[in-house]
Amino acid sequence: NAGVTQTPKFQVLKTGQSMTLQCAQDMNHNSMYWYRQDPGMGLRLIYYSASEGTTDKGEVPNGYNVSRLNKREFSLRLESAAPSQTSVYFCASTSGGRRPQHFGDGTRLSIL
Amino acid sequence: KQEVTQIPAALSVPEGENLVLNCSFTDSAIYNLQWFRQDPGKGLTSLLLIQSSQREQTSGRLNASLDKSSGRSTLYIAASQPGDSATYLCAVGVDSNYQLIWGAGTKLIIKP
Repeated sequence: NAGVTQTPKFQVLKTGQSMTLQCAQDMNHNSMYWYRQDPGMGLRLIYYSASEGTTDKGEVPNGYNVSRLNKREFSLRLESAAPSQTSVYFCASTSGGRRPQHFGDGTRLSIL
Repeated sequence: KQEVTQIPAALSVPEGENLVLNCSFTDSAIYNLQWFRQDPGKGLTSLLLIQSSQREQTSGRLNASLDKSSGRSTLYIAASQPGDSATYLCAVGVDSNYQLIWGAGTKLIIKP
């Protein structure tokens, strides 16, 4: 039972490069979320998808785009990476607001 | 704007002690409150979820309480064990899409 799977686990980019972080869940959850976690801070919501076909901005959306490819997959794209986007990125999913969110193991991203 | 605070940032106690972790939030209009555990280099695991209409939830040696009027939640850990060492985060659900606002966490070390 895989749960939430994130790829890649680690990535180093140069400033200005682009990349897509992948997330897939096998729990038939409706809602999916992308967070970033920086040292000494709580997680901050980047984008979320309440259901297949919808996406909405969270607290810190600038510099990111997302795609809800289907019910299982929710990707996060950095079009032109900046050092300020160095962080650990987590994807999460839930079947609904009365149920807990399930998290992937994260992608550790460094922008040089 | 909802803000979530966890104090202390770090806590070290001997094995076997009962302990309490604190979480405070500024706006009492919440949908739910969740406690998570994060192990180093790993994702987050949901421990307890308290709906806004509930006062507490229990799971094994863990008990979480919620007092919306005072903007506080506590996580009580009974008979602590070295395996409880981790960072504990609380998160408040703030809207109908159950976006979460996070505290920065309390790093707990249980000494054998």
